Amino acid sequence: EAGVTQSPTHLIKTRGQQATLRCSPISGHTSVYWYQQALGLGLQFLLWYDEGEERNRGNFPPRFSGRQFPNYSSELNVNALELEDSALYLCASSFTGGKPQHFGDGTRLSIL
Amino acid sequence: AQRVTQPEKLLSVFKGAPVELKCNYSYSGSPELFWYVQYSRQRLQLLLRHISRESIKGFTADLNKGETSFHLKKPFAQEEDSAMYYCALKETSGSRLTFGEGTQLTVNP
Repeated sequence: EAGVTQSPTHLIKTRGQQATLRCSPISGHTSVYWYQQALGLGLQFLLWYDEGEERNRGNFPPRFSGRQFPNYSSELNVNALELEDSALYLCASSFTGGKPQHFGDGTRLSIL
Repeated sequence: AQRVTQPEKLLSVFKGAPVELKCNYSYSGSPELFWYVQYSRQRLQLLLRHISRESIKGFTADLNKGETSFHLKKPFAQEEDSAMYYCALKETSGSRLTFGEGTQLTVNP
């Protein structure tokens, strides 16, 4: 089966710009999760979407937002980019109901 | 709030030696615990979940609620076990994972 796919692999932006990251879940999975892996901070939960709805949100400012589409793919949007947003952004998917999460390769976002 | 602690950032053992990667957690409810592994140049993948009580690649982990620990063990380490290991906790009522900071395991020949 195809795994979780994320695009783009790398994204370079400047401060103040906006970034859009995309994720396609494993077929049959309805939940999508976003995590940030910043240097020295470990993996931090960002957002959880299930059946098109935002179900939970981590301790991140509102300029981090996203959505889930009817085909269960998801976008993460980061507005007004700051230098500290430079990180690897990981997407994971699972069957609904808190089943084990399967991760993609991530999108590396670099802010210049 | 839940918290996961992996006290060792780096762990180095010789091939054939036993290995134990420590994980402690704090959570007021009944958590679900996981071990994830990331081999060099590969994606993060699920290794074990405590409710499965299974052995994967020779690794086992037992949830000790009294000590709030979920240590990962293998009796005889192999070079291919060299990787980054993350302990993660899922709260009872939600789906978010809280990760520890990870332990980089190196198995020397």
